[in-house]
Amino acid sequence: QITLKESGPTLVKPTQTLTLTCTFSGFSLSTSGVGVGWIRQPPGKALEWLALIYWDDDKRYSPSLKSRLTITKDTSKNQVVLTMTNMDPVDTATYYCARTRFGELLFRDWGQGTLVTVSS
Amino acid sequence: SSELTQDPAVSVALGQTVRITCQGDSLRSYYASWYQQKPGQAPVLVIYGKNNRPSGIPDRFSGSSSGNTASLTITGAQAEDEADYYCNSRDSSGNHLFGGGTKLTVL
Repeated sequence: QITLKESGPTLVKPTQTLTLTCTFSGFSLSTSGVGVGWIRQPPGKALEWLALIYWDDDKRYSPSLKSRLTITKDTSKNQVVLTMTNMDPVDTATYYCARTRFGELLFRDWGQGTLVTVSS
Repeated sequence: SSELTQDPAVSVALGQTVRITCQGDSLRSYYASWYQQKPGQAPVLVIYGKNNRPSGIPDRFSGSSSGNTASLTITGAQAEDEADYYCNSRDSSGNHLFGGGTKLTVL
């Protein structure tokens, strides 16, 4: 059974850096082709893709947020970490991590999401 | 352009057929995947590739594509199909794109 779960702060202040962790089970990021991505969704709004990391450490970022994002993986811990700098109230959203495979235009399995509020 | 456009809202009578569309230049080259999202829940993949359904997705869900438009069709819509639906594809640089979402109401 594949599961993913996001964890991190529920509240951050403007200008702070957000660090989110995706802990997964049922698959390994050392397996060829496997990837984990981050997607966010502001309240009442659409999904927005943020970043993606593959088994071979290939990393992809949303062009509009690239300067603020860093994605890393810890294969031994089955974790993927996303950091987003200079947080702003408009970054208030539910942040999801999800599993994909290289070359596939889809996210097969999703975490439950974690709501992050940016407020002073 | 590197955008995917969806109608904000669509309605369908119970038991009837509804088509939800997604438009974008990238769809001329790449398939879309489709996700169903109910309130307070994470998205669920319902269609991917040419017309593939993950295990557990009812066969009333189907996908198609023509030109710059991808479509999700629900044949015989059920009350439980009321949800938001999002398309997902990529741009020419390999970055993922999501459509703006379509709110489906089953009357």
